Amino acid sequence: QVQLQESGPGLVKPSETLSLTCTVSGGSISSYYWSWIRQPPGKGLEWIGFISYSGSTNYNPSLKSRVTISVDTSKNQFSLKLTSVIAADTAVYYCARHHRSNWNPSYFDPWGQGTLVTVS
Amino acid sequence: QSALTQPASVSGSPGQSITISCTGTSSDVGNYNLVSWYQQHPGKAPKLIIYDVTKWPSGVSNRFSGSKSGNTASLTISGLQAEDEADYYCSSYTTSSTSVFGTGTHVTVV
Repeated sequence: QVQLQESGPGLVKPSETLSLTCTVSGGSISSYYWSWIRQPPGKGLEWIGFISYSGSTNYNPSLKSRVTISVDTSKNQFSLKLTSVIAADTAVYYCARHHRSNWNPSYFDPWGQGTLVTVS
Repeated sequence: QSALTQPASVSGSPGQSITISCTGTSSDVGNYNLVSWYQQHPGKAPKLIIYDVTKWPSGVSNRFSGSKSGNTASLTISGLQAEDEADYYCSSYTTSSTSVFGTGTHVTVV
């Protein structure tokens, strides 16, 4: 079955750019939507944004000015860049497949195991 | 966009049924039948347990059930078991073509 694995630096300095990659195995990245979601320590989930197999994107309005999500179909990967990070961006970052229902992005399954990124 | 509102905690005894609410607006929960629910145990990734308000993913127990009325969706756990102790989150598609999560509910089996 499809599995997702996040990778990237676990420590980022304030004002720098957080960069993460999600590698999809066991299936093709094509024909699906893919999302990034984060969870600050001890807090709830926050949707960051999605990218479609064709490269169209949409982002959480509260992060839109700092977020870019891209896809590399040749490597079966998609990536997250978050610029000008601050301590509040410290979180576990998850990637997930974003299924569509009635042509609209609906639910997240499966999820990667998550990777903790600390801004300090 | 504002997070969907869930109770911070719900508790129940083994064998009982509990219900978790997820309140949004006419721009999200009330506008689409695109509400999903996730179970998260400590230190683990969230797991999908209900999608499109009422549907079960393969392999998920039918002790979990979902419903929706107006701007509020609900998750009911029947026959509560110790393994159900976890955090639960709802999520909805929105009219801005974004997704939003609920504030999360911790379920305690007492």
